[in-house]
Amino acid sequence: DIQMTQSPSSLSASVGDRVTITCRASQSISSSLNWYQQKPGKAPKILINVASSFQSGVPSRFSGSGSGTDFTLTISSLQPEDFATYYCQQSYSTPWTFGQGTKVEIK
Amino acid sequence: QVQLVQSGAEVKKPGASVKVSCKASGYPFTRNAMHWVRQAPGQRLEWMGWINAGNGNTKYSQKFQGRVTITRDTSATTAYMELTSLRSEDTAVYYCARASRQLVGDFSYFYMDVWGKGTTVTVSS
Repeated sequence: DIQMTQSPSSLSASVGDRVTITCRASQSISSSLNWYQQKPGKAPKILINVASSFQSGVPSRFSGSGSGTDFTLTISSLQPEDFATYYCQQSYSTPWTFGQGTKVEIK
Repeated sequence: QVQLVQSGAEVKKPGASVKVSCKASGYPFTRNAMHWVRQAPGQRLEWMGWINAGNGNTKYSQKFQGRVTITRDTSATTAYMELTSLRSEDTAVYYCARASRQLVGDFSYFYMDVWGKGTTVTVSS
C-alpha cells in the first residue's frame, strides 16, 4: 500500500497568514493526488484534484503543486472559514490512501 | 443538484452485520463509480472499496476483504455497503462518495467529488 504522510499534523495561524501543508507519498504517484477539507462533524469536501486542478467553487486562495512523491497545498491568505482539517489522498493505485490530516487552528 | 443521501445511524453488537445505503440523485447513476470511506473517532479517513455502478464490478481494500460487500441497485439509484463480523474497532462514520474522472492526455485521474453526510455505526455490547 502507498503510505501518505502529511506535515505538520497541526498548525496555529492567524487570519491573513500564508499556510503551507506538505504531503509525501511512499512511492511515485504521478499527479494522482487530491486535497480535501473537512470541518468537524461534516463530510470531506474536495478542494484540488490532479495535484493542482481547482474544483468549481473553491476560492482561488487555495492552490496545489507537486508531482511524483512530494506535494503542497497552499492557502495564500487564511480566512476564518478555512479553519479545518486538510487531507491529501492518492488515487494512483488501490487501496486509495489518505494522509493523517493537518488541523489548521486559530492562533 | 447532485446529492448522496445515506441511511441513518446504527447501533450493533459485536459479531453482527450492518448494511448502509446511499441513494444518489441529480446525475446518471451508472456513469460514476461509488466509493466507501470510513473514519473512526479521531482517526484519518480510510478507504474501504468501490463499485462500478454501471457493471457492478467491485474492488475492496485487503483490510476488509471477506467482511465487506458493496452492491448497487440501478433501478433505485442506490449503493449499499455491508460489513459483517463487526467489532468495536469498526465504530466509525461511514461515507459514500461519488468518484469522477479527469482526463489529462492519455491518463485518467480520479477523485471523490460528492460525498454523503455519513452514517454513524456504533459497535458495542
